[in-house]
Amino acid sequence: GAVVSQHPSRVICKSGTSVKIECRSLDFQATTMFWYRQFPKQSLMLMATSNEGSKATYEQGVEKDKFLINHASLTLSTLTVTSAHPEDSSFYICSARFGDGYTFGSGTRLTVV
Amino acid sequence: AQSVAQPEDQVNVAEGNPLTVKCTYSVSGNPYLFWYVQYPNRGLQFLLKYITGDNLVKGSYGFEAEFNKSQTSFHLKKPSALVSDSALYFCAVRVPHGSSNTGKLIFGQGTTLQVKP
Repeated sequence: GAVVSQHPSRVICKSGTSVKIECRSLDFQATTMFWYRQFPKQSLMLMATSNEGSKATYEQGVEKDKFLINHASLTLSTLTVTSAHPEDSSFYICSARFGDGYTFGSGTRLTVV
Repeated sequence: AQSVAQPEDQVNVAEGNPLTVKCTYSVSGNPYLFWYVQYPNRGLQFLLKYITGDNLVKGSYGFEAEFNKSQTSFHLKKPSALVSDSALYFCAVRVPHGSSNTGKLIFGQGTTLQVKP
Protein backbone atom coordinates (compact mmCIF):
# COMPACT_ATOMS: atom_id res chain seq x y z
CA GLY A 1 0.00 0.00 0.00
CA ALA A 2 0.79 3.70 0.14
CA VAL A 3 1.74 4.21 -3.48
CA VAL A 4 2.20 7.65 -4.95
CA SER A 5 2.08 7.85 -8.73
CA GLN A 6 3.82 10.78 -10.38
CA HIS A 7 3.37 11.69 -14.02
CA PRO A 8 5.03 12.38 -16.39
CA SER A 9 8.40 10.80 -15.64
CA ARG A 10 10.13 12.96 -18.23
CA VAL A 11 9.12 16.10 -20.05
CA ILE A 12 10.89 18.44 -22.42
CA CYS A 13 9.32 21.81 -23.05
CA LYS A 14 10.21 25.02 -24.81
CA SER A 15 11.23 28.07 -22.88
CA GLY A 16 8.23 30.22 -22.02
CA THR A 17 5.70 27.41 -21.92
CA SER A 18 4.07 25.85 -18.86
CA VAL A 19 4.32 22.28 -17.66
CA LYS A 20 2.02 20.43 -15.29
CA ILE A 21 3.19 17.56 -13.10
CA GLU A 22 0.64 15.32 -11.39
CA CYS A 23 0.98 13.39 -8.19
CA ARG A 24 -1.70 10.88 -7.17
CA SER A 25 -2.08 8.78 -4.07
CA LEU A 26 -3.36 5.47 -5.39
CA ASP A 27 -4.57 3.59 -2.37
CA PHE A 28 -4.88 6.16 0.35
CA GLN A 29 -6.06 9.70 0.89
CA ALA A 30 -3.43 12.38 1.22
CA THR A 31 -4.60 15.61 2.76
CA THR A 32 -1.05 16.94 2.50
CA MET A 33 1.52 16.45 -0.21
CA PHE A 34 5.03 17.78 -0.50
CA TRP A 35 6.86 18.99 -3.58
CA TYR A 36 10.64 18.78 -3.78
CA ARG A 37 13.24 19.85 -6.25
CA GLN A 38 16.52 18.03 -6.67
CA PHE A 39 19.60 19.14 -8.56
CA PRO A 40 22.06 16.54 -9.88
CA LYS A 41 23.76 14.64 -7.09
CA GLN A 42 22.27 16.94 -4.49
CA SER A 43 19.74 16.64 -1.74
CA LEU A 44 16.03 17.27 -1.96
CA MET A 45 14.88 20.80 -1.40
CA LEU A 46 11.34 21.25 -0.16
CA MET A 47 9.55 23.74 -2.38
CA ALA A 48 6.05 23.72 -0.99
CA THR A 49 3.44 21.82 0.92
CA SER A 50 0.05 21.39 -0.70
CA ASN A 51 -3.04 21.03 1.41
CA GLU A 52 -6.30 19.66 0.10
CA GLY A 53 -8.88 22.40 -0.20
CA SER A 54 -6.62 25.24 0.83
CA LYS A 55 -3.66 27.25 -0.34
CA ALA A 56 -0.24 25.72 -0.56
CA THR A 57 2.51 26.73 1.82
CA TYR A 58 5.69 27.75 0.04
CA GLU A 59 9.19 27.60 1.43
CA GLN A 60 11.22 30.76 1.62
CA GLY A 61 12.65 31.79 -1.72
CA VAL A 62 10.23 29.75 -3.84
CA GLU A 63 8.20 31.85 -6.28
CA LYS A 64 4.51 31.21 -5.76
CA ASP A 65 3.52 32.60 -9.14
CA LYS A 66 6.03 30.47 -10.95
CA PHE A 67 5.34 27.18 -9.23
CA LEU A 68 1.58 26.86 -9.00
CA ILE A 69 0.29 24.12 -6.75
CA ASN A 70 -3.23 22.79 -6.69
CA HIS A 71 -4.56 20.11 -4.38
CA ALA A 72 -8.14 19.78 -5.53
CA SER A 73 -8.89 16.36 -4.11
CA LEU A 74 -7.66 13.97 -1.46
CA THR A 75 -5.79 11.96 -4.05
CA LEU A 76 -4.38 14.52 -6.49
CA SER A 77 -1.90 17.34 -6.24
CA THR A 78 -0.45 19.16 -9.22
CA LEU A 79 2.59 21.36 -9.70
CA THR A 80 2.59 23.69 -12.69
CA VAL A 81 5.83 25.32 -13.70
CA THR A 82 4.75 28.48 -15.49
CA SER A 83 6.74 30.32 -18.12
CA ALA A 84 9.51 27.79 -17.78
CA HIS A 85 13.12 28.75 -18.36
CA PRO A 86 16.23 26.61 -18.71
CA GLU A 87 17.15 27.25 -15.08
CA ASP A 88 13.93 25.48 -14.07
CA SER A 89 15.31 22.28 -15.52
CA SER A 90 15.53 19.87 -12.62
CA PHE A 91 14.16 16.71 -11.06
CA TYR A 92 10.88 17.26 -9.24
CA ILE A 93 9.57 14.76 -6.67
CA CYS A 94 6.32 14.65 -4.78
CA SER A 95 5.67 12.96 -1.46
CA ALA A 96 2.78 12.23 0.85
CA ARG A 97 2.59 11.31 4.48
CA PHE A 98 1.30 7.81 5.20
CA GLY A 99 1.08 6.64 8.78
CA ASP A 100 4.33 7.45 10.52
CA GLY A 101 6.22 7.64 7.26
CA TYR A 102 6.35 9.34 3.92
CA THR A 103 6.04 7.81 0.48
CA PHE A 104 7.50 9.33 -2.65
CA GLY A 105 6.60 9.55 -6.29
CA SER A 106 9.05 8.33 -8.90
CA GLY A 107 9.99 11.85 -9.92
CA THR A 108 9.75 14.00 -13.04
CA ARG A 109 12.77 15.05 -15.06
CA LEU A 110 12.00 18.47 -16.53
CA THR A 111 14.19 19.82 -19.30
CA VAL A 112 13.50 23.29 -20.62
CA VAL A 113 15.06 24.04 -23.99
CA ALA B 1 18.48 24.95 13.99
CA GLN B 2 17.20 21.53 13.05
CA SER B 3 19.42 19.68 10.64
CA VAL B 4 20.71 16.39 9.35
CA ALA B 5 24.29 15.76 8.31
CA GLN B 6 25.80 13.00 6.24
CA PRO B 7 29.53 13.64 6.52
CA GLU B 8 30.59 11.42 3.62
CA ASP B 9 29.82 12.31 0.01
CA GLN B 10 30.79 8.81 -1.07
CA VAL B 11 31.42 5.46 0.56
CA ASN B 12 33.27 2.72 -1.29
CA VAL B 13 33.13 -0.90 -0.20
CA ALA B 14 33.89 -4.25 -1.74
CA GLU B 15 31.08 -6.67 -2.35
CA GLY B 16 30.58 -8.96 0.62
CA ASN B 17 32.09 -6.52 3.10
CA PRO B 18 30.05 -4.71 5.74
CA LEU B 19 28.99 -1.15 4.98
CA THR B 20 28.19 1.87 7.10
CA VAL B 21 26.68 5.15 5.92
CA LYS B 22 26.83 7.82 8.59
CA CYS B 23 24.15 10.24 9.70
CA THR B 24 23.95 12.69 12.56
CA TYR B 25 21.06 14.94 13.44
CA SER B 26 20.19 18.00 15.44
CA VAL B 27 16.57 18.39 16.46
CA SER B 28 14.63 19.41 19.49
CA GLY B 29 12.55 16.77 21.16
CA ASN B 30 12.39 13.11 20.20
CA PRO B 31 13.52 12.54 16.63
CA TYR B 32 11.67 10.63 13.96
CA LEU B 33 14.48 9.36 11.69
CA PHE B 34 14.38 7.82 8.23
CA TRP B 35 16.65 6.31 5.64
CA TYR B 36 15.81 6.34 1.93
CA VAL B 37 17.62 5.07 -1.13
CA GLN B 38 17.49 6.64 -4.58
CA TYR B 39 18.46 5.04 -7.86
CA PRO B 40 19.23 7.26 -10.89
CA ASN B 41 16.24 9.25 -12.14
CA ARG B 42 13.94 7.61 -9.64
CA GLY B 43 12.07 8.71 -6.55
CA LEU B 44 13.05 7.74 -3.03
CA GLN B 45 12.50 4.26 -1.70
CA PHE B 46 11.92 3.78 2.01
CA LEU B 47 14.46 1.62 3.83
CA LEU B 48 13.67 2.03 7.50
CA LYS B 49 12.63 4.41 10.23
CA TYR B 50 13.06 5.00 13.92
CA ILE B 51 10.12 6.38 15.84
CA THR B 52 10.46 4.79 19.25
CA GLY B 53 11.41 1.48 20.82
CA ASP B 54 14.49 -0.61 20.09
CA ASN B 55 17.52 1.41 19.10
CA LEU B 56 18.41 -1.14 16.42
CA VAL B 57 15.98 -0.89 13.54
CA LYS B 58 15.82 -3.50 10.80
CA GLY B 59 14.60 -2.48 7.38
CA SER B 60 14.33 -3.48 3.76
CA TYR B 61 16.96 -5.36 1.71
CA GLY B 62 18.96 -6.40 4.78
CA PHE B 63 19.69 -2.87 5.95
CA GLU B 64 19.59 -1.82 9.57
CA ALA B 65 20.30 1.34 11.51
CA GLU B 66 21.19 2.10 15.08
CA PHE B 67 19.72 5.05 16.89
CA ASN B 68 22.22 6.52 19.33
CA LYS B 69 20.71 9.32 21.36
CA SER B 70 23.89 10.35 23.17
CA GLN B 71 25.80 10.71 19.91
CA THR B 72 22.73 11.99 18.00
CA SER B 73 23.49 9.50 15.27
CA PHE B 74 21.51 7.12 13.10
CA HIS B 75 24.05 5.25 10.99
CA LEU B 76 22.88 2.88 8.26
CA LYS B 77 24.52 -0.53 8.14
CA LYS B 78 24.49 -3.76 6.22
CA PRO B 79 26.54 -6.85 7.13
CA SER B 80 27.35 -7.83 3.55
CA ALA B 81 27.18 -5.36 0.68
CA LEU B 82 25.90 -6.19 -2.79
CA VAL B 83 26.83 -4.50 -6.06
CA SER B 84 23.13 -3.76 -6.47
CA ASP B 85 23.23 -1.68 -3.27
CA SER B 86 25.15 0.98 -5.18
CA ALA B 87 22.92 4.06 -5.07
CA LEU B 88 22.39 7.41 -3.37
CA TYR B 89 21.32 7.21 0.27
CA PHE B 90 19.52 9.89 2.23
CA CYS B 91 19.02 10.26 5.95
CA ALA B 92 16.07 12.40 6.99
CA VAL B 93 14.42 13.68 10.15
CA ARG B 94 10.84 14.74 10.61
CA VAL B 95 10.33 18.20 12.05
CA PRO B 96 7.18 20.14 12.93
CA HIS B 97 5.61 21.97 10.00
CA GLY B 98 2.95 24.60 10.36
CA SER B 99 -0.08 24.03 12.50
CA SER B 100 -0.84 20.54 11.23
CA ASN B 101 0.50 17.31 12.66
CA THR B 102 1.93 16.25 9.33
CA GLY B 103 5.46 17.39 9.90
CA LYS B 104 7.99 17.64 7.10
CA LEU B 105 11.23 15.90 6.32
CA ILE B 106 14.62 17.53 6.38
CA PHE B 107 17.18 15.59 4.36
CA GLY B 108 20.89 15.15 4.68
CA GLN B 109 23.13 15.91 1.76
CA GLY B 110 23.10 12.34 0.54
CA THR B 111 25.86 9.72 0.38
CA THR B 112 26.73 7.81 -2.75
CA LEU B 113 27.42 4.18 -1.99
CA GLN B 114 29.66 2.40 -4.47
CA VAL B 115 29.96 -1.35 -4.06
CA LYS B 116 32.64 -2.92 -6.22
CA PRO B 117 32.72 -6.55 -7.25
